[in-house]
Amino acid sequence: LAKTTQPISMDSYEGQEVNITCSHNNIATNDYITWYQQFPSQGPRFIIQGYKTKVTNEVASLFIPADRKSSTLSLPRVSLSDTAVYYCLVGDIRGAAGNKLTFGGGTRVLVKP
Amino acid sequence: DTEVTQTPKHLVMGMTNKKSLKCEQHMGHRAMYWYKQKAKKPPELMFVYSYEKLSINESVPSRFSPECPNSSLLNLHLHALQPEDSALYLCASSHPKAGGPTDTQYFGPGTRLTVL
Repeated sequence: LAKTTQPISMDSYEGQEVNITCSHNNIATNDYITWYQQFPSQGPRFIIQGYKTKVTNEVASLFIPADRKSSTLSLPRVSLSDTAVYYCLVGDIRGAAGNKLTFGGGTRVLVKP
Repeated sequence: DTEVTQTPKHLVMGMTNKKSLKCEQHMGHRAMYWYKQKAKKPPELMFVYSYEKLSINESVPSRFSPECPNSSLLNLHLHALQPEDSALYLCASSHPKAGGPTDTQYFGPGTRLTVL
């Protein structure tokens, strides 16, 4: 399983864009990159997933360079409610149900007023 | 219904007790998972059920016993736990989409377990 490395924490201010970069140097050909958000005492919540280039949804964008050895989660115009831990996961999630995904250390994002 | 529910929300038990955690989903997902999460740590995978069969057991001690009675239900039976087993226990479910990837996992709110 590809190991991921993320910054331990990041501070930001309301209205700013937050970019969190995840390193996954030994990502395999069939691996996808998935990001989850977790608030205290809640289960992780799926944010976005991608394989290459750029993926955008209503809450975030995911940028993946051509070599796929890293990825960047971009949260536009954050608010106080975006204060959470963000996890980057890399793994092969194709095929049969029940794939093993390993959570990395996560990045604690604190949004200040 | 896009929700994974877990009961109870909180559980306090002694080391000699037997208790069970329950997880339910009605999204038609065919994989269900148990994770353990200690404070300020990432979730750690414990068990995976795929099509109601145990497919992954991450070398979890036998005092934790999973059960999948049907495709919507997942139980975790607890017996003779230790204080260090106190943690947030998370359930998740997933199902691969036809024609593509994204076996995305959907998590429940968790059960906060305290072992005295």
